[in-house]
Amino acid sequence: DTGVTQSPTHLIKTRGQQVTLRCSPISGHKSVSWYQQVLGQGPQFIFQYYEKEERGRGNFPDRFSARQFPNYSSELNVNALLLGDSALYLCASSLETITDTQYFGPGTRLTVL
Amino acid sequence: AQSVAQPEDQVNVAEGNPLTVKCTYSVSGNPYLFWYVQYPNRGLQFLLKYITGDNLVKGSYGFEAEFNKSQTSFHLKKPSALVSDSALYFCAVRPRDNFNKFYFGSGTKLNVKP
Repeated sequence: DTGVTQSPTHLIKTRGQQVTLRCSPISGHKSVSWYQQVLGQGPQFIFQYYEKEERGRGNFPDRFSARQFPNYSSELNVNALLLGDSALYLCASSLETITDTQYFGPGTRLTVL
Repeated sequence: AQSVAQPEDQVNVAEGNPLTVKCTYSVSGNPYLFWYVQYPNRGLQFLLKYITGDNLVKGSYGFEAEFNKSQTSFHLKKPSALVSDSALYFCAVRPRDNFNKFYFGSGTKLNVKP
């Protein structure tokens, strides 16, 4: 089975720009979550989507938004990029029940200059 | 506030010796508990989880973890470490009353020396 896939692998942007990151979940998984992992820290929860609806949101500014499509893939958008947005952005997918394991993709490395 | 603590930034162990990576949590109720491992420039790989039942959970690659409710801990263990176990380990917690969020610890770097 194909795991969680994310694109692009790496991205370099400048301050003030906008970025869109993409994620395809494991086949059959209906839930997608996004995390930000700054170097040297653990992942920080940004969003969870299930059946195209936002189910959870972490403590991130409104510059961060996401959506989930009918095929359960997802996009994370970040507007007005700041230097501090430089991080590894991880996507995770899971089945619908709360005890299910989240399976992570390889991440997108975003560098803001 | 919900939090997960991994008190050791780094753990050093010789190959063949037992290893323990510590995790304690401050989360309401009886949360679900997870361990993940991250290799350089890679995403997180699932190792094991505790949902209910036996306090000793067995997972991938010979790892196990012990849940202690009174100490709110979920320490990761392995009887005999391998050099290939060297990686970054994360403890994660999912509250039962707010299951749309995952809280991760700051990570522990495990170094296994030959």
